[in-house]
Amino acid sequence: GAVVSQHPSWVICKSGTSVKIECRSLDFQATTMFWYRQFPKQSLMLMATSNEGSKATYEQGVEKDKFLINHASLTLSTLTVTSAHPEDSSFYICSARAQTSGGAGTQYFGPGTRLTVL
Amino acid sequence: EDKVVQSPLSLVVHEGDTVTLNCSYEVTNFRSLLWYKQEKKAPTFLFMLTSSGIEKKSGRLSSILDKKELFSILNITATQTGDSAVYLCAVGRSYNTDKLIFGTGTRLQVFP
Repeated sequence: GAVVSQHPSWVICKSGTSVKIECRSLDFQATTMFWYRQFPKQSLMLMATSNEGSKATYEQGVEKDKFLINHASLTLSTLTVTSAHPEDSSFYICSARAQTSGGAGTQYFGPGTRLTVL
Repeated sequence: EDKVVQSPLSLVVHEGDTVTLNCSYEVTNFRSLLWYKQEKKAPTFLFMLTSSGIEKKSGRLSSILDKKELFSILNITATQTGDSAVYLCAVGRSYNTDKLIFGTGTRLQVFP
């Protein structure tokens, strides 16, 4: 149980284009999903918290107009990187908190999406 | 500022060795500490610790938390090459139970 998928796994795009990444909880409902970014040999950095049916909460220093997050249902959140630039190239990981889980930190991670912007 | 520090940054051992990974934290309103294993993709959950002194075990892995000294250790006995990964420590805070603060990780390499 508690499987989270991401699509696509890997994307290469040209500078200036927009890229959408999907995060789905496959066998549970997630009122809250999280989007992280991980640069090579660095730890996960939380970008934003996505709550179903409401606006996402962004961490300090993360541009909300550049990283658009939509959490339209209890099983799907999307991250759109708008006008991507090479410095946006990174590993993007989502996690989902199961609705019935108890306590902090019961997050289940997706397999990640590697974005390369040329 | 809240922070989570892991040590060592990197570790290379031979199969069969025992390793201890450290995680110290300075976080307001601490609620839980979690350990994850990250291979080539996203982290997989290992342990969640909320109380001091209670060891959690899963096979060759075990972990314990000291809330007085603000640290946790992750032990791996009889290491195998499949244990090679980055081990991440993360702390959850009680006033915002969903957000996790991650450490930079310890990269473990186990050679045959």
